[in-house]
Amino acid sequence: DGGITQSPKYLFRKEGQNVTLSCEQNLNHDAMYWYRQDPGQGLRLIYYSQIVNDFQKGDIAEGYSVSREKKESFPLTVTSAQKNPTAFYLCASSIRQRGTEAFFGQGTRLTVV
Amino acid sequence: QQQVKQSPQSLIVQKGGIPIINCAYENTAFDYFPWYQQFPGKGPALLIAIRPDVSEKKEGRFTISFNKSAKQFSLHIMDSQPGDSATYFCAASMMGINAGKSTFGDGTTLTVKP
Repeated sequence: DGGITQSPKYLFRKEGQNVTLSCEQNLNHDAMYWYRQDPGQGLRLIYYSQIVNDFQKGDIAEGYSVSREKKESFPLTVTSAQKNPTAFYLCASSIRQRGTEAFFGQGTRLTVV
Repeated sequence: QQQVKQSPQSLIVQKGGIPIINCAYENTAFDYFPWYQQFPGKGPALLIAIRPDVSEKKEGRFTISFNKSAKQFSLHIMDSQPGDSATYFCAASMMGINAGKSTFGDGTTLTVKP
């Protein structure tokens, strides 16, 4: 089945550590996105990539980094510079033409302990 | 900054009621207006979407009304059920260099009481 796979579903990190969240899609979509969702709040864009080997900062990129070496993969690293990393992280993808829907993964819940 | 403003933040209705969620946008370059439904602990999923060349779209119990001149669109849920209890997000996306990139509203948490 086509879709977006995020792993792990739950992740615990000690303060001061970097951690990488995985996102893989087999929808053949060019564009991929990372969003952060805090309790009771909307989706805030962290980074997005429209093509391989290129990505752009979103609204809240500080403390995060990404790579896009393959069309199918868009991993997100939460660095120790991110002051409040505990959140629900959502990866999405879409085709790159006139306005269209985003397909979301099931999310990764990151908790800093 | 491009924005999509969504209201209300939360909504409680009785079973069978018709909750209405409203969104307003600023950028006339938006040409696709989806609504997403999200259950706790899950990713959002597309519920229904509309393009600005139509004023209304129905899919089952869900209806989008679109007012291009007012730059507003709304979601109506007919005969609401407890299983409709979820968070609903409106969004907008456009053509051009960032085609496919969505701007989301802040979400509405809907509770349908039995």
